[in-house]
Amino acid sequence: GQQLNQSPQSMFIQEGEDVSMNCTSSSIFNTWLWYKQDPGEGPVLLIALYKAGELTSNGRLTAQFGITRKDSFLNISASIPSDVGIYFCAGPMYSGGGADGLTFGKGTHLIIQP
Amino acid sequence: EAGVAQSPRYKIIEKRQSVAFWCNPISGHATLYWYQQILGQGPKLLIQFQNNGVVDDSQLPKDRFSAERLKGVDSTLKIQPAKLEDSAVYLCASSLTRNVPGELFFGEGSRLTVL
Repeated sequence: GQQLNQSPQSMFIQEGEDVSMNCTSSSIFNTWLWYKQDPGEGPVLLIALYKAGELTSNGRLTAQFGITRKDSFLNISASIPSDVGIYFCAGPMYSGGGADGLTFGKGTHLIIQP
Repeated sequence: EAGVAQSPRYKIIEKRQSVAFWCNPISGHATLYWYQQILGQGPKLLIQFQNNGVVDDSQLPKDRFSAERLKGVDSTLKIQPAKLEDSAVYLCASSLTRNVPGELFFGEGSRLTVL
């Protein structure tokens, strides 16, 4: 299976700050996905990217599909307390079609300091 | 619309005991997944069903893990016998179609602690 590397592992920010995190792979991905997981909950899809170079927004969240198809970025503008959680990038496990399970990165843990 | 339902939410067992988890996907979702999430890691796919057939179980430790989806709706995941390293959250997810990769809907998970 393909592996995804996320950075940073954790972020400590002040409320109102902008946040930027990224995800890289040694393999090409045709789809990039960003999920958020709150404590005690399952991950929830935030943004899906299907085309190299694509830039997609969802409220204060913006994600980009890297031109090389080996990376993706997620930005959060003007962070608020409910943005706290773990952000995962994910992509298809198999590049040749067929089974379509996802492989996930290890996550970026976002913590907002009072 | 009701989400993915899982039970139990929490389970504590001793090693070598058995445990079973149940999942009811979103109504009409043909594809069902079981993921294992160890503390500090991202979810890892164990098995994928399309209706009642297995699409991918390449990462399922078949010597101790089994799963079924007999009528193409509910699914159960069983571990027998459990090992300490099986302590994790077991997440069930479903999707409407395989034609749009990635739009998975997850349940709240079942947290397993093996002592």
